[in-house]
Amino acid sequence: DIVMTQTPLSLSVTPGQPASISCKSSQSLLHSDGKTYLYWYLQKPGQPPQLLIYEVSNRFSGVPDRFSGSGSGTDFTLKISRVEAEDVGVYYCMQSIQLPQTFGQGTKLEIK
Amino acid sequence: QVQLVQSGAEVKKPGASVKVSCKASGYTFTSYYMHWVRQAPGQGLEWMGIINPSGGSTSYAQKFQGRVTMTRDTSTSTVYMELSSLRSEDTAVYYCARPKAPMVRGVYYGMDVWGQGTTVTVSS
Repeated sequence: DIVMTQTPLSLSVTPGQPASISCKSSQSLLHSDGKTYLYWYLQKPGQPPQLLIYEVSNRFSGVPDRFSGSGSGTDFTLKISRVEAEDVGVYYCMQSIQLPQTFGQGTKLEIK
Repeated sequence: QVQLVQSGAEVKKPGASVKVSCKASGYTFTSYYMHWVRQAPGQGLEWMGIINPSGGSTSYAQKFQGRVTMTRDTSTSTVYMELSSLRSEDTAVYYCARPKAPMVRGVYYGMDVWGQGTTVTVSS
């Protein structure tokens, strides 16, 4: 199974400041079709996860442009350019290049 | 709009089975895989398995092999996840989730639509 490792596991950020989360996979997520199957989710308390970024760097419909994803191969990053109060929750990276699909441990973002 | 509506909360005794349903609407049911993911209290997300609603084929996480069965009813656009031999560690919220894109041979997409979750509590 592909192991997904996120750092840090928790973040405390002042509103308006940037935030960054790293995700490393134990194998390359580059598929033979040329796409890289790395996703980012935000789970707010009491809710199911919501898709933020798909295939490394594509913002999902309705996701604010302060969220951006980057990376390749096995190293990926989610960045929030200016954190807002509504961004609190747990962020997960996930790979779907192979089954079982696997998630990172989660990074809890709180507001200072 | 695309929607996944899951069945209600369950309380089960150790050793029992639970069957959770997930009714899909707003898209062609047989064109998209369906995943099941669970989350124990205060823990992260754990992928359990996937079903192809068209043919009914499944793939399960090794951890659940022998205890989980995923099925579908195309007449009602509903998928089911049954977990047997329940133990306290199975207490969790169970989610069905649809991939972002229709089935393509050799490709598994991440999920963009999730059910609301079903809480399963295992307690004597």
